[in-house]
Amino acid sequence: QVQLVQSGAEVKKPGASVKVSCKVSGYTLTELSMHWVRQAPGKGLEWMGGFDPEDGETIYAQKFQGRVTMTEDTSTDTAYMELSSLRSEDTAVYYCATDRSGSYVLDYWGQGTLVTVSS
Amino acid sequence: EIVLTQSPGTLSLSPGERATLSCRASQSVSSSYLAWYQQKPGQAPRLLIYGASSRATGIPDRFSGSGSGTDFTLTISRLEPEDFAVYYCQQYGSSQITFGQGTRLEIK
Repeated sequence: QVQLVQSGAEVKKPGASVKVSCKVSGYTLTELSMHWVRQAPGKGLEWMGGFDPEDGETIYAQKFQGRVTMTEDTSTDTAYMELSSLRSEDTAVYYCATDRSGSYVLDYWGQGTLVTVSS
Repeated sequence: EIVLTQSPGTLSLSPGERATLSCRASQSVSSSYLAWYQQKPGQAPRLLIYGASSRATGIPDRFSGSGSGTDFTLTISRLEPEDFAVYYCQQYGSSQITFGQGTRLEIK
């Protein structure tokens, strides 16, 4: 059983950056492919990027290329998502989610982290 | 980028009825890479179906998935009160994951 525990809510000003963490237990990060998905208030799910086991690299949604960085600390089994140049439209709940099978299916999800961007 | 269009946007049914949710892709999707999720208010999404038709662990057998190519369906055979939620389809292709916009299943 995978458990994902994310860091707490953040309030940021436009132009700032935010870094959200996702601590894994029950598995090690090296056994999983980690992805990040966000959801603006009252809106649908939007994939931001994640680890592609076919290429062994992190892939990003075209919309976020150049503005998002996903990293992992395997010593602590913690994944991170950093989003820069924040704007009000980035206000959303950010989820980490795992793909255990390598088939791009998100089978376990964190509880979500609310990021609010406001001046 | 493959666009997924879900219909209807909102589906109003009563407990015990059958629900049929549609997901149409802008180009052919490998069935191996088509999944369905359920999301309730204030909760993270939950995986229901993967590989277009395989139920995830712990998912009741009233949930079933079918389809291929560009047309996929999620069927809930007999609605239980806890099934009223928002449902999303998701696909992987060309190094991108995309979600449909969701279908809201509400109590009639």
